[in-house]
Amino acid sequence: DAGVTQSPTHLIKTRGQQVTLRCSPKSGHDTVSWYQQALGQGPQFIFQYYEEEERQRGNFPDRFSGHQFPNYSSELNVNALLLGDSALYLCASSLERRVYGNTIYFGEGSWLTVV
Amino acid sequence: AQSVSQHNHHVILSEAASLELGCNYSYGGTVNLFWYVQYPGQHLQLLLKYFSGDPLVKGIKGFEAEFIKSKFSFNLRKPSVQWSDTAEYFCAVSTGRRALTFGSGTRLQVQP
Repeated sequence: DAGVTQSPTHLIKTRGQQVTLRCSPKSGHDTVSWYQQALGQGPQFIFQYYEEEERQRGNFPDRFSGHQFPNYSSELNVNALLLGDSALYLCASSLERRVYGNTIYFGEGSWLTVV
Repeated sequence: AQSVSQHNHHVILSEAASLELGCNYSYGGTVNLFWYVQYPGQHLQLLLKYFSGDPLVKGIKGFEAEFIKSKFSFNLRKPSVQWSDTAEYFCAVSTGRRALTFGSGTRLQVQP
């Protein structure tokens, strides 16, 4: 049973560039969420996708956008990168119909460094 | 909006010592509560979770947590820590289908 997989694991980008991160949810899961974890901090919620639509969004600017595909996989796009975007980006998956008892599983993350 | 507070930022213990990490949340309704652990260089792993029922929940690796609704708390405990418990611990809360809100984490260092 495959867990949550993310790619790439590490990448370095230059300020002003754009980046795309990818996520495949755990087998059987249909909901994908993205989190940003800066060094020394807890993960911060970016947004959540279900049925190919953004359902919830945290306090992140429009430079952060995403997409969910029919196979439930997801992408996170960040435009006009800033130094402060350097962080670990975590993808999490869950199953929509299990509202209570809904365990969320995390991938290993993508380390983004903006220079 | 819900929020989570973890009061201990860095805890240093000797092996075999008992552990208690504090977690308080702010939300007036029904909540789901979680503790995640992040070992150095690894991804977040679920230690335990509370949705309903018995407020004392047992998780993996000998950890347990007690939900005290009147105190809005969900403290993590372990009777005897091991060097391998060195990690960062995160408390998190969610409500219904809403996303997780995490605390800032507690770094646990266990000295042999």
